[in-house]
Amino acid sequence: GENVEQHPSTLSVQEGDSAVIKCTYSDSASNYFPWYKQELGKRPQLIIDIRSNVGEKKDQRIAVTLNKTAKHFSLHITETQPEDSAVYFCAATPNDYKLSFGAGTTVTVRA
Amino acid sequence: DGGITQSPKYLFRKEGQNVTLSCEQNLNHDAMYWYRQDPGQGLRLIYYSQIVNDFQKGDIAEGYSVSREKKESFPLTVTSAQKNPTAFYLCASSIGLAGGPGEQFFGPGTRLTVL
Repeated sequence: GENVEQHPSTLSVQEGDSAVIKCTYSDSASNYFPWYKQELGKRPQLIIDIRSNVGEKKDQRIAVTLNKTAKHFSLHITETQPEDSAVYFCAATPNDYKLSFGAGTTVTVRA
Repeated sequence: DGGITQSPKYLFRKEGQNVTLSCEQNLNHDAMYWYRQDPGQGLRLIYYSQIVNDFQKGDIAEGYSVSREKKESFPLTVTSAQKNPTAFYLCASSIGLAGGPGEQFFGPGTRLTVL
């Protein structure tokens, strides 16, 4: 099955700086790559996703890039704010709808 | 955040007991999922169902059972055969087969503690 690795496990950034989280996947058939944000005590929520026919997608301060050849994808958060502090999960799936999640990255934005 | 609910929020169980976690959605989604979340391990798939009366094992199905008799409901039973059941359990739903792989909407979760 699919195996997703996520790095780093923790990330501390100064407010206003950028944050980058990287994930690699093993199954070349994977074609959907979502990113979820989970604030403390709350449920995971989708923040951005990308499909394999697109190399980059941006939504305001958040962007995701995908390199199918190298089988890795990254989340970029620019101009970080305190409300960006949370755990972020990457995931990947081929066509059978079984999302395989990375272990998560705890992001702390220092004021 | 409405649309998918889980109950109870907290659940305590004695060793050797089976317990059932509830998951209900009113989003008219075909697909439903159960995940287990442990610190530092992300979300691991227990079972999933793409349509009523059908479900498949995920990566860690041993010691768990499910049913999908109604489109809106996907209860999870944690049996006494599950060696380490203390965890945070999340239910999710998505549009399913008609929409292709897409956003999964999560419930608020149930925290199960085995005493």
